[in-house]
Amino acid sequence: AQSVTQPDIHITVSEGASLELRCNYSYGATPYLFWYVQSPGQGLQLLLKYFSGDTLVQGIKGFEAEFKRSQSSFNLRKPSVHWSDAAEYFCAVGARGSQGNLIFGKGTKLSVKP
Amino acid sequence: NAGVTQTPKFRVLKTGQSMTLLCAQDMNHEYMYWYRQDPGMGLRLIHYSVGEGTTAKGEVPDGYNVSRLKKQNFLLGLESAAPSQTSVYFCASSYSGSFYEQYFGPGTRLTVT
Repeated sequence: AQSVTQPDIHITVSEGASLELRCNYSYGATPYLFWYVQSPGQGLQLLLKYFSGDTLVQGIKGFEAEFKRSQSSFNLRKPSVHWSDAAEYFCAVGARGSQGNLIFGKGTKLSVKP
Repeated sequence: NAGVTQTPKFRVLKTGQSMTLLCAQDMNHEYMYWYRQDPGMGLRLIHYSVGEGTTAKGEVPDGYNVSRLKKQNFLLGLESAAPSQTSVYFCASSYSGSFYEQYFGPGTRLTVT
């Protein structure tokens, strides 16, 4: 069965510092991979997606993620964090052949220190 | 363009009561989904619909029913609420051609006492 693991429940970084949020997935074939962000009290917003091709994908708000098949990972990165990036981040995998059934990780909460 | 809206935003129920959550989207999306979000659990799919008049079970369907009588609306029903259904419920929608790119509503916080 597909699964997604986000090892870090909570991360705190200083404003202006770089960020990497980890995501590992379990899936038999090349999955569809996603990162969503949830600001406090809000719904989820799609940050970026990977379907195939270039393993480094760019998203909105200056985020990028790299698909590494050998490590079954899809880590999210940002070179310089802004206070407005404080939110909860969810990695998700979509099973090929399903109809939008996304499997979400448990999320990583990001706090940003001034 | 309101996107995905959910009604109500908050609700408190007593055990055994019933209620319906309404999701509406104005993007002409074919697919719609209901998720629940519990602390430390991420989001889990309850039911989904690939078109008007069709619904299917997700990962955690027990205790819930859904209906999609109109393309723009997706209703989630709780026939006999239980404390285990205390959660935040999110609706989402997507185009059939890119059904993983889902647009989420703001959520409904439900407490069952």
